[in-house]
Parts: sequence; structure tokens; C-alpha cells
Amino acid sequence: GAVVSQHPSWVICKSGTSVKIECRSLDFQATTMFWYRQFPKQSLMLMATSNEGSKATYEQGVEKDKFLINHASLTLSTLTVTSAHPEDSSFYICSAWPLAAASYNEQFFGPGTRLTVL
Amino acid sequence: DQQVKQNSPSLSVQEGRISILNCDYTNSMFDYFLWYKKYPAEGPTFLISISSIKDKNEDGRFTVFLNKSAKHLSLHIVPSQPGDSAVYFCAAGSSNTGKLIFGQGTTLQVKP
Repeated sequence: GAVVSQHPSWVICKSGTSVKIECRSLDFQATTMFWYRQFPKQSLMLMATSNEGSKATYEQGVEKDKFLINHASLTLSTLTVTSAHPEDSSFYICSAWPLAAASYNEQFFGPGTRLTVL
Repeated sequence: DQQVKQNSPSLSVQEGRISILNCDYTNSMFDYFLWYKKYPAEGPTFLISISSIKDKNEDGRFTVFLNKSAKHLSLHIVPSQPGDSAVYFCAAGSSNTGKLIFGQGTTLQVKP
């Protein structure tokens, strides 16, 4: 159990287009999901906290109009990179915090999505 | 402002020996700490965690030590195995928000 999936696993797009990445908790419900970004050979940087039924909260320096987050259900959060540019090329990872989590340990990560903007 | 730091980008050890990975943090508000193992193009895999009220937690070959006064934690792997070769990230979090701040990672290579 406790599986988090991401779709697509990799995507290549042209500069100026928008890309949507899905994060799904497959066998549990999560009111909170997190989105991270990792550049090559760097750390995972928290981008935003996605809360079901409410607006996402963004970390300092993350453009909320560029990275649109929607958490419409207890099992799905989406990240849309709008008007993507080559500098947005990165590895995007989500994590899901189960609704019934007994402890902070119970946060599960997806496999990540590789975005390449040409 | 790097709140969580892993100052050693890489570590190489011989199979069967101990691997010690270190992590420092600056924010006293963190109340729990975790270690993750990660391969390229994959999500992190949880290894072990420790609450700020403890100074040691052990799980099989993995032991995490926390020194709150020094704002330092370490992960000990013993005995090290070639399958342990990966990038290891420490992360610090706040239990009320679930937000995690990751270090830069340490690449561990265990040589047969």
C-alpha cells in the first residue's frame, strides 16, 4: 500500500506551452500534498503545499502564477507549468501526506516527472 | 539560506565497513528529521527518522543520531553493502505542517 503515482513520468515540450503534471495517491486519501523540484545534482526544493479544497501555499521565490496547483480531490493534485521556458526544465516530485497519518513519517513520494522544455 | 546542509557531496567506503553520513541544520523549530535514499530519476525512499525528543533511533543496519545542541545528525550504516550505493538526503520537518527541507545530498559508493 501507500503508493503515489505521477503522470507523465517524462515530458518534452516547446517553449511557451503549458504542461500539466498529475500526482495521485492510489490507495489512500491525502488532504495535503507537496510539490518539490530538483535540478541536476542539487537538493529537492519545496515549491508549494497543496491542500484539498483550498488554495495552495507557495514557498518564497516560487511564482504562483507560473506554477498552478489544483487539489480538487483527496487523491489528486495537479501542477501546471504555464508558459514553460527552458529554465523550468527540471525533475518535479510530489509527496502525499495521508489523511489518517499517525505520524509525520507517513509521507509518501511519487516517482517524479522529468520536464524538458526546448 | 540553506537551513539543512550536507557538507560532504560524496563518500566512498568498503563493503562491510561503516558508512557515516552527516547533516547539519540551523532552524531550532524543526521537530523531526528523516533520511532518504534516492536514485536518479526516481522519488526518494524513506529510510529512517528521529524525533527531536530522542537522540538515537535504530532500524536494522541503519542508525540515526541526533545532537540537538550541535544541531547535527548523522546516519550510520553498518555493515555497508554495495546495494547501499545511492544518494542520501537528510530532511528536517515540522510535524504540524509536514513540510520538509532537504539537504543537498551525499553520494555514497560502497565498493565490493
